[in-house]
Amino acid sequence: NAGVTQTPKFQVLKTGQSMTLQCAQDMNHEYMSWYRQDPGMGLRLIHYSVGAGITDQGEVPNGYNVSRSTTEDFPLRLLSAAPSQTSVYFCASNVAGAQYNEQFFGPGTRLTVL
Amino acid sequence: AQSVTQLGSHVSVSEGALVLLRCNYSSSVPPYLFWYVQYPNQGLQLLLKYTSAATLVKGINGFEAEFKKSETSFHLTKPSAHMSDAAEYFCAVGGYNTDKLIFGTGTRLQVFP
Repeated sequence: NAGVTQTPKFQVLKTGQSMTLQCAQDMNHEYMSWYRQDPGMGLRLIHYSVGAGITDQGEVPNGYNVSRSTTEDFPLRLLSAAPSQTSVYFCASNVAGAQYNEQFFGPGTRLTVL
Repeated sequence: AQSVTQLGSHVSVSEGALVLLRCNYSSSVPPYLFWYVQYPNQGLQLLLKYTSAATLVKGINGFEAEFKKSETSFHLTKPSAHMSDAAEYFCAVGGYNTDKLIFGTGTRLQVFP
């Protein structure tokens, strides 16, 4: 199993540009989530999904969209990039059901917005 | 509502010394608690988790943590630090009624020879 994969690994955008961060998992996990990691702030939840066709907002959803058309894929879209979105983005997945909360993380995408 | 507080954003120890990373939690429901480790330029990986079985939990790489309900704590320890333990460590809390995890702000561990 490849686990959780993310592309690209690095990205530089100009303010106002849009882009999609890709996330895929091959473990048939129902639950997937996107976090951003900023110095001194830990990981903050952006959006999450409990299954195909179902998404919901996390702690910091503004400026981001998600969709979940398949179990495997959970892309994160930046609609109009801003310097405040410079961060490291992690995708994670786990078996649904709280007692299995162990989340499996991708390697991250480092995004810089100029 | 749930939250975690990690005391100390940076901890430095000498190789062979005790490692103690502190985590306190707040939860209105019985918590599930986790420690994750992040090595430089990598994603997070699970060290250990507490899911209401044993209060002393053993994880990978010689780490362990003890759940203390009276102190609302879940501190991470390792008897003898190794250079390879240098990384950032995150405490996280979940609960029986949610798939979400709430992460602390992290503690960066430095190990000196």
